[in-house]
Amino acid sequence: LAKTTQPISMDSYEGQEVNITCSHNNIATNDYITWYQQFPSQGPRFIIQGYKTKVTNEVASLFIPADRKSSTLSLPRVSLSDTAVYYCLVNTNDYKLSFGAGTTVTVRA
Amino acid sequence: DAGVTQSPTHLIKTRGQHVTLRCSPISGHKSVSWYQQVLGQGPQFIFQYYEKEERGRGNFPDRFSARQFPNYSSELNVNALLLGDSALYLCASSPQGLAKNIQYFGAGTRLSVL
Repeated sequence: LAKTTQPISMDSYEGQEVNITCSHNNIATNDYITWYQQFPSQGPRFIIQGYKTKVTNEVASLFIPADRKSSTLSLPRVSLSDTAVYYCLVNTNDYKLSFGAGTTVTVRA
Repeated sequence: DAGVTQSPTHLIKTRGQHVTLRCSPISGHKSVSWYQQVLGQGPQFIFQYYEKEERGRGNFPDRFSARQFPNYSSELNVNALLLGDSALYLCASSPQGLAKNIQYFGAGTRLSVL
């Protein structure tokens, strides 16, 4: 099972772009990269998923280089409500999600 | 459409007691997974049920058990509660239960064991 490494915490200010990089050196051919967001006392919420290159939705962008050994979640123009824990997961056809400790993003006014 | 619902939202038990947590998946979802989240850590996989059968189990003792009903709702049971069982218990549903599919989580049940 591919292991992920991401920063423990990041600080930002409202209106800035936040980029969280996740390392997954042992990613396998069939693995997808998925990011979840979690607010205190709530369940994780799906943000974005990708396999290669770039994926963008209304919330975030996900950049995946050609070797797929890392990925970067980009949150444009963050607001106070984006303060949360962000988890990077690498998923195969397995059935369980393997969460690490995540990255705590704190957005300040 | 309603999301994943869990009950109760909060629960206080004492050591040695038994607890039952309940989960209703999103309509049409046949898979339910249970996760335990201790404060400050990411969720840890406990069980997954798909089409009423156990598909997988995480590294949890036999005191933890679960089942899925014909309507795809699920119960998580924990016997002989320990202080260390205090955590947020999360339920997630998805159409097929594959990790690469989007998992939809409920708000969880906060269990406190005294």
